[in-house]
Amino acid sequence: NAGVTQTPKFQVLKTGQSMTLQCAQDMNHEYMSWYRQDPGMGLRLIHYSVGAGITDQGEVPNGYNVSRSTTEDFPLRLLSAAPSQTSVYFCASSYSTQGGNNEQFFGPGTRLTVL
Amino acid sequence: AQSVAQPEDQVNVAEGNPLTVKCTYSVSGNPYLFWYVQYPNRGLQFLLKYITGDNLVKGSYGFEAEFNKSQTSFHLKKPSALVSDSALYFCAVRDPRGTDKLIFGTGTRLQVFP
Repeated sequence: NAGVTQTPKFQVLKTGQSMTLQCAQDMNHEYMSWYRQDPGMGLRLIHYSVGAGITDQGEVPNGYNVSRSTTEDFPLRLLSAAPSQTSVYFCASSYSTQGGNNEQFFGPGTRLTVL
Repeated sequence: AQSVAQPEDQVNVAEGNPLTVKCTYSVSGNPYLFWYVQYPNRGLQFLLKYITGDNLVKGSYGFEAEFNKSQTSFHLKKPSALVSDSALYFCAVRDPRGTDKLIFGTGTRLQVFP
């Protein structure tokens, strides 16, 4: 298994540009999520999905869109990039149960810089 | 509100000495608690979790954590630190309002000196 994969590893954007961060998992996990990691702030949840066709907002959703058309893929779209979106982005997945006691598997991250 | 606190930005310890990385939580209901480790330029890796049962939980790489309900704490411990343990450690609690949603602490950088 490849686990959770993310592309690209690095990206530089200009303010106002749009782009999509890709995330895929091959573990048949129901739950997928996107986090951003900023110094001194830990990881903050952007959006999450509990299954194909179902998405919801996390703690910091503004400026980002997601969709979940398949179990495997969960892309994150930046609509109009802003310098405040400079961060490291992590995708994660887990086998969701009603109990919610499953550990999450993280991708290697995408380092995004917005100029 | 649900929250996790890691009161130390950095912990320094000599190789061979015991280490403790502190975590306290605030959550309604029974907490599901997790520890993750992040090595430089890598994603987070799961270390261990507490769901129910024994208060002392054993995990990967010789780490363990002690759940203390009265003190609302879940400190990460290791009897003998290695230089290779140097990394960023995150405590997290499951958000009781969602299935697998996690609330993370701000992280503690562990530096183990030879």
